[in-house]
Amino acid sequence: TQLLEQSPQFLSIQEGENLTVYCNSSSVFSSLQWYRQEPGEGPVLLVTVVTGGEVKKLKRLTFQFGDARKDSSLHITAAQPGDTGLYLCAGRAGGTSYGKLTFGQGTILTVHP
Amino acid sequence: NAGVTQTPKFQVLKTGQSMTLQCAQDMNHEYMSWYRQDPGMGLRLIHYSVGAGITDQGEVPNGYNVSRSTTEDFPLRLLSAAPSQTSVYFCASSYSMEGGGYTFGSGTRLTVV
Repeated sequence: TQLLEQSPQFLSIQEGENLTVYCNSSSVFSSLQWYRQEPGEGPVLLVTVVTGGEVKKLKRLTFQFGDARKDSSLHITAAQPGDTGLYLCAGRAGGTSYGKLTFGQGTILTVHP
Repeated sequence: NAGVTQTPKFQVLKTGQSMTLQCAQDMNHEYMSWYRQDPGMGLRLIHYSVGAGITDQGEVPNGYNVSRSTTEDFPLRLLSAAPSQTSVYFCASSYSMEGGGYTFGSGTRLTVV
C-alpha cells in the first residue's frame, strides 16, 4: 500500500501570512494531485503535477513535485480568508494500478481576517 | 453537464440492513472510484474500476461490493451494514490519460444505527 503523509494536519494563520503544506511518501507516484474541499462538498481538483521537479503556479498557490516523485508541496502566498478549507494531496500509482488514487490525511487551513 | 451524480444524499440504516449507493457519471470517464471519508482520516479508497467489467479492491474493501456493467454507472453495495460503516461516501471519476484529475460527486452521508 502506498502511503502519503501530509503535514501539518491543522494550520491557523492570519490573513496575509504565507504557508506551506507538505506531502511525503516512501513510494514513487506517476503523478501527484492537490484538491481542496469545502464542508458538505466533494473535493475539487486544484492541480496535477506529473514530472519530477515540476513547479506549477495557480495565482497565489505554488505546487512542486519532488525530483524523485515521492513528495510534493503546496505554498500559499499572502493567504486570504477565502483560502480556508481542507487541502488534500493524492498520488496516482503507476503500472497496473494506475487507476488507483491514494489520499493523504489532509490539512485543515483556517485563515483569520 | 451533470458530472458525477450520487444518490441518496443522506441515509440511515439499521445494523444488518443492506443497501446500494448509486453513482453515475456522464463524462465518458474510464476510471471510477469509491471513497469513504471519516474525521481525521482523509479519504480512503474502497474499490475502484478502470473500465466496464473491471474492478479492484482499495484500502478498505471489506463489507462492500461493486460492479461496473456500464461505463456510466458504478454502484456500491453494503452487504450487511455495521455502525463502523457510518461515514461520508464519495464517488469519483477520471479520464485514463496521464495527469487526469478526478471529478467527485457531492457525497452520501450514511449513518448506521
